[in-house]
Amino acid sequence: AQTVTQSQPEMSVQEAETVTLSCTYDTSESDYYLFWYKQPPSRQMILVIRQEAYKQQNATENRFSVNFQKAAKSFSLKISDSQLGDAAMYFCAYTGTSGTYKYIFGTGTRLKVLA
Amino acid sequence: GAVVSQHPSWVICKSGTSVKIECRSLDFQATTMFWYRQFPKQSLMLMATSNEGSKATYEQGVEKDKFLINHASLTLSTLTVTSAHPEDSSFYICSARGSGGDLSTEAFFGQGTRLTVV
Repeated sequence: AQTVTQSQPEMSVQEAETVTLSCTYDTSESDYYLFWYKQPPSRQMILVIRQEAYKQQNATENRFSVNFQKAAKSFSLKISDSQLGDAAMYFCAYTGTSGTYKYIFGTGTRLKVLA
Repeated sequence: GAVVSQHPSWVICKSGTSVKIECRSLDFQATTMFWYRQFPKQSLMLMATSNEGSKATYEQGVEKDKFLINHASLTLSTLTVTSAHPEDSSFYICSARGSGGDLSTEAFFGQGTRLTVV
């Protein structure tokens, strides 16, 4: 069975600084997708970035980028130039490309941004 | 991106009554819908997966008779909490996937429903 692990329950970063959130996963599938979702206090799930396992190039979306290490099954999120609006819960998620395509979420990391 | 609307955003009901939560895909056909439950400061717990026109597949430990899921059309799924009790109070979130391209690999989330049973 697939698992997703986020080992950092909480992280803090100074405004304008850079922070990296960690995520590891376990799977026997060769093709899959990985995501980072942000959940602000409104609790609406917002897609931050996605990575397709067959793509070696790390995904980037403006200030957000990932470090995808397929062999190590690691998928970290780097937030550059942190802003107060980045404060939220961040969830790492996995989905395969066969079967029910259900998402498996990590336990989340609460990010605090300090002014 | 694709839009999923969940209604109501919050609901208070009396113990013993039933409450229905709707999840609609507004601009795409949702071949698969997922229902999650989220406890405070915790992750999303998958309750069930439903495909249009089929019976929902429930995760282990989820009471299918208490949490009735219907996915009668490609744009609507409903979750009915039957004979609700205070321990059913929680935040419920739906998500939907379509077919083809990003619609098939990304889940689009509703806004969530906060259920309080008194």
